[in-house]
Amino acid sequence: DAGVIQSPRHEVTEMGQEVTLRCKPISGHNSLFWYRQTMMRGLELLIYFNNNVPIDDSGMPEDRFSAKMPNASFSTLKIQPSEPRDSAVYFCASSLGHGDEQFFGPGTRLTVL
Amino acid sequence: AQRVTQPEKLLSVFKGAPVELKCNYSYSGSPELFWYVQYSRQRLQLLLRHISRESIKGFTADLNKGETSFHLKKPFAQEEDSAMYYCALIRGNQGGKLIFGQGTELSVKP
Repeated sequence: DAGVIQSPRHEVTEMGQEVTLRCKPISGHNSLFWYRQTMMRGLELLIYFNNNVPIDDSGMPEDRFSAKMPNASFSTLKIQPSEPRDSAVYFCASSLGHGDEQFFGPGTRLTVL
Repeated sequence: AQRVTQPEKLLSVFKGAPVELKCNYSYSGSPELFWYVQYSRQRLQLLLRHISRESIKGFTADLNKGETSFHLKKPFAQEEDSAMYYCALIRGNQGGKLIFGQGTELSVKP
């Protein structure tokens, strides 16, 4: 198993552009998590899904951010429009159940110019 | 509000020395505590969790509810222990919502 897969690994875009980050969880895992890591705020949970349903999106910074999980094997995190302060590393993680060990992807490093 | 505090950004020790990475939390209920580790060029991964009460790679951590601490300890540090360490908690009624500390970079010198 390749583990949690994220794409792209690096993204450089200009302010105002739409950015879509993608995640494929480990097969059989029922919970999926999106985190953001910055120097200022560290690692913070943005949103998590259980059985494809969003359970807690209280960490989503504002309406410019949206996340979807159309099926058990795919999720997206979209930022529209992007701003320089969105520059960060975005991690996706999955777990068997929502209290179990979380397995992290390699992250997507986003730079908004 | 629930919070995890790791007071040291960087901890530097010599090989063979004991190491303790500090973690304090604030939560009135019964949290579940974890230590995650990220080695250079690798993914963030679980090191240990308090409910398993096991030693992983020589590391142990004991939950002290009186002091609201979950410090990570190893009696003899190795160079391969150099990594970024994150303490995290899940609130008892919040399922998988991990709250992370800011992380401590451990550097073990030869």
